[in-house]
Amino acid sequence: QQQVKQSPQSLIVQKGGISIINCAYENTAFDYFPWYQQFPGKGPALLIAIRPDVSEKKEGRFTISFNKSAKQFSLHIMDSQPGDSATYFCAASIHSGYSTLTFGKGTMLLVSP
Amino acid sequence: SAVISQKPSRDICQRGTSLTIQCQVDSQVTMMFWYRQQPGQSLTLIATANQGSEATYESGFVIDKFPISRPNLTFSTLTVSNMSPEDSSIYLCSVAPPTGDWETQYFGPGTRLLVL
Repeated sequence: QQQVKQSPQSLIVQKGGISIINCAYENTAFDYFPWYQQFPGKGPALLIAIRPDVSEKKEGRFTISFNKSAKQFSLHIMDSQPGDSATYFCAASIHSGYSTLTFGKGTMLLVSP
Repeated sequence: SAVISQKPSRDICQRGTSLTIQCQVDSQVTMMFWYRQQPGQSLTLIATANQGSEATYESGFVIDKFPISRPNLTFSTLTVSNMSPEDSSIYLCSVAPPTGDWETQYFGPGTRLLVL
């Protein structure tokens, strides 16, 4: 049973456009939702994260929107740049003494020049 | 954030052999984690390694196949034993910082393993 479903699997966006990646979760105990960015040959890097007490968090061009009732959260990349081309993973964890992350399957983003 | 290094960065191994992967952190951390990322796939947690206790393995992973050591607060090793081509993957270690946003995990660069 996949606990975090991520879509789309791949995405092509023109430079300057908005990239949107969606995730849905099933376990209502999840209370921490990070997004990771991974470039080829590198480990995942934490991009931005949100907790369910807020509906939106923005850091620069990256915004997380969170809908607790729908059990969905999404990553928006504004003014997408070719340097944003990477694989993006959403994840979720439960506050339980230590953090075990459950990852989505990833979205490969290509921003065309 | 923590700076994490892994050795080796990549290796090609023969079937039936074992490989030990090292993970070094530049600060003391309580929780370290080992993940497997198969080609083009997501990350799957293998085990959690806390200093001073036995590693906790996730379903589908066993200690005989993936023994883990955690001798101190800055270092851990994962051994992939009796390898088969199905073990070809990227192996990643991650850490949770001891203070602040402890639910956050920071990842090392990964070890790319090819088993022939």
